[in-house]
Amino acid sequence: GAVVSQHPSRVICKSGTSVKIECRSLDFQATTMFWYRQFPKQSLMLMATSNEGSKATYEQGVEKDKFLINHASLTLSTLTVTSAHPEDSSFYICSASRSLAGPDTQYFGPGTRLTVL
Amino acid sequence: GENVEQHPSTLSVQEGDSAVIKCTYSDSASNHFPWYKQELGKGPQLIIDIRSNVGEKKDQRIAVTLNKTAKHFSLHITETQPEDSAVYFCAASLGGGNKLTFGTGTQLKVEL
Repeated sequence: GAVVSQHPSRVICKSGTSVKIECRSLDFQATTMFWYRQFPKQSLMLMATSNEGSKATYEQGVEKDKFLINHASLTLSTLTVTSAHPEDSSFYICSASRSLAGPDTQYFGPGTRLTVL
Repeated sequence: GENVEQHPSTLSVQEGDSAVIKCTYSDSASNHFPWYKQELGKGPQLIIDIRSNVGEKKDQRIAVTLNKTAKHFSLHITETQPEDSAVYFCAASLGGGNKLTFGTGTQLKVEL
């Protein structure tokens, strides 16, 4: 159990376009989903936390108007990178948790490799 | 905020030997400490976690120890195999909440 999927696994886009990444919990209801970004040979950096039915909470330094997050159901969250630029190229990973507030385990998706030309 | 330090950054062991990775954290309110294994190009996979009400947890060849007084926790892998080669991340919960702060990662290489 606790399987999380992401789609697409890899995307290449032109500078200035928008890209949507989907994160789904396949066998459990994810009250909370998290979005991370990971640059090569670096650790995971939390971008935002989203709870089903409410607005996402963004970490300091993350532009909420550039990285739009929608957590429309208990099994789906989406991250849209708007007006993407080459510096947005990275590995984007989501995770899902059953808990709304307490320290429940986070289960990660397989990641999405975004390349902006 | 929480700060998690992880050592070593790289670790090379011979197949069959043990590997130990250590992490320290700063927030005394942290109470959940998961360990993740990440293979190249993939998402992190949970391998074991420990909560603050216990000092040790074991699952086959993997064990984690926690010292809350000293604020450090360690991952122990025994009888290492080539397929254990990957990057390992420790993490600590931010206070009593559901956010995680990750360590900087350890590249483990198990050599034949």
